[in-house]
Amino acid sequence: QSALTQPPSVSGSPGQSVTISCTGTSSDVGSYNRVSWYQQPPGTAPKLMIYEVSNRPSGVPDRFSGSKSGNTASLTISGLQAEDEADYYCSSYTSSSTSPVVFGGGTKLTVL
Amino acid sequence: QVQLVESGGGLVKPGGSLRLSCAASGFTFSDYYMSWIRQAPGKGLEWVSYISSSGSTIYYADSVKGRFTISRDNAKNSLYLQMNSLRAEDTAVYYCARDTLFDYWGQGTLVTVSS
Repeated sequence: QSALTQPPSVSGSPGQSVTISCTGTSSDVGSYNRVSWYQQPPGTAPKLMIYEVSNRPSGVPDRFSGSKSGNTASLTISGLQAEDEADYYCSSYTSSSTSPVVFGGGTKLTVL
Repeated sequence: QVQLVESGGGLVKPGGSLRLSCAASGFTFSDYYMSWIRQAPGKGLEWVSYISSSGSTIYYADSVKGRFTISRDNAKNSLYLQMNSLRAEDTAVYYCARDTLFDYWGQGTLVTVSS
């Protein structure tokens, strides 16, 4: 199962908005609303930020939002803050009978 | 609060074995699927395996199938990963995570496969 496709890097200035894309296929992102996003600051474990395309766990700021169109999911971070600088990964459920979960390759967000 | 603490990582030679453990607390362990996810140095996340709450349903990534075995002991609130026939490409930080949403993660344990 191939990884979902994410841009290697994105950047933005404090206060701006950035969007990270996550492109899959009709066998994963396109067919299921089980898309999640994880934030991983350097040297730390990943943290769930968005689940089921657009839901935020308790404690995640509403500056983080998720959406999906066709085979592409997106994470938007508005009002960028310095502490948002991290790697971001998407994941999706897949129709594969052997490997039901696939991750994206990750996107490094730099806050300028 | 939910806590997941991995242990058992270390340096092992190619072809060797290692058993990872994950101690869970702060939630009803027996109610949740549990997962192992790994991250090679400087690389992205790779899902490895997950096990249902009862242990009756198990999935593995193709890259570890036939070599790794996931298991759990609900009485001990513990998750395990038995890793055999280890290869250099298995070198990674191994995380345990709750559920198939991966809503909570441990801090990870480093496995290094090298001669």
